[in-house]
Amino acid sequence: QSALTQPPSASGSPGQSVTISCTGTNSDIGGYQYVSWFQQHPGKAPKLMIYEVSKRPSGVPDRFSGSRSGNTASLTVSGLQPDDEADYYCSAYAGSNNPGYLFGPGTKVTVL
Amino acid sequence: EVQLVESGGRLVQPGGSLRLSCAASGFTFSNYAMNWVRQAPGKGLEWISYISRTSDAIYYADSVKGRFTISRDDAQNSLFLQMNSLRLDDTAVYYCARDSSGYVSGYWGQGSLVTVSS
Repeated sequence: QSALTQPPSASGSPGQSVTISCTGTNSDIGGYQYVSWFQQHPGKAPKLMIYEVSKRPSGVPDRFSGSRSGNTASLTVSGLQPDDEADYYCSAYAGSNNPGYLFGPGTKVTVL
Repeated sequence: EVQLVESGGRLVQPGGSLRLSCAASGFTFSNYAMNWVRQAPGKGLEWISYISRTSDAIYYADSVKGRFTISRDDAQNSLFLQMNSLRLDDTAVYYCARDSSGYVSGYWGQGSLVTVSS
């Protein structure tokens, strides 16, 4: 199974925006609408923030947005708040030839 | 309210076996495919297994293929993970998570810690 790549860290001051990238291939990120993003605080279960590239589950603030260009997906957090400090993982459907899901290695977002 | 509660995690020696359970409530369990995802201490998330609604489609990550077996009992609203030939690098928190037909959903359990150590 192929790997997804994410930057290990990102940061921003309160009120600023931060964008996290997630790069895969045309067999996963670029091949399907099934890209999602999870937020995880220490000791907690992951929380779904974005699904199907750009959709937000009920209750997720519109400060969180997702997009994709080719084989790279992005998560943007606008108006950074202290509670946004967490690990963020992208995930993608791995494709019909090798069914399953891929997770990126995670990006630690720090609110300065 | 959707709830997923894992159990069965404990300390086990290398080469040993363990069976994890995930009790589901708050939704019609038989209508959903399910997944197991794990997270080693201080590491990222790793998807390890999927089972379809009817158990006719089952998939595994290469890291556990041939050693782990996923199953479900719809009468008990339960998901299981039989883990054999456990290795040190299987040490992790194991989460069960509901599937959403193309992605892992936002419904996860709280996790069950499996520690493989001599």
